[in-house]
Amino acid sequence: DAKTTQPTSMDCAEGRAANLPCNHSTISGNEYVYWYRQIHSQGPQYIIHGLKNNETNEMASLIITEDRKSSTLILPHATLRDTAVYYCIVGKGAQKLVFGQGTRLTINP
Amino acid sequence: NAGVTQTPKFRILKIGQSMTLQCTQDMNHNYMYWYRQDPGMGLKLIYYSVGAGITDKGEVPNGYNVSRSTTEDFPLRLELAAPSQTSVYFCASSQTLSDPYVQYFGPGTRLTVT
Repeated sequence: DAKTTQPTSMDCAEGRAANLPCNHSTISGNEYVYWYRQIHSQGPQYIIHGLKNNETNEMASLIITEDRKSSTLILPHATLRDTAVYYCIVGKGAQKLVFGQGTRLTINP
Repeated sequence: NAGVTQTPKFRILKIGQSMTLQCTQDMNHNYMYWYRQDPGMGLKLIYYSVGAGITDKGEVPNGYNVSRSTTEDFPLRLELAAPSQTSVYFCASSQTLSDPYVQYFGPGTRLTVT
């Protein structure tokens, strides 16, 4: 499975867009990009996934570069409740869902 | 629809004791998973199940056992608790094993072994 690289931590002002980058330069053609987040002491929560095209849902947008070597998760109007650790995961098959250390996003008032 | 529920929320064990962590899902998912998360670290897969009666090892299965007698329940058993098993344990379920898929997680069980 492809490995991912994310910044250890990021800060964002409340109400602004939070852009979380992820590098997955060794991704293979049939591997999806998934984003989960984990709010303190809670179980991880699915956010969004994509293969080639950009995706948007009620929580976030996912922008995948044309070469698929990196992606960006966008929270359009961050709130204090979006403070969490965000995991970018690339893989195929459920047993290969590998959670790394993620990006600790802090939303500041 | 409660999703994935786990009991207990917290537990303190002495070295050598045994216990069972309970996990139940009401989404009729075939696939269930157990993860552990050590402080400041990501999740590691312990065991998973693709259906009633079928289980398989994940990345860190040593010291644990699982069973899956029903679609809803996937208990995790610790036989001889060791300090290295101090961790937060998460149970999850998914509808499919093929991409794309989503895993739904329970709230976790915080276990301390002293």
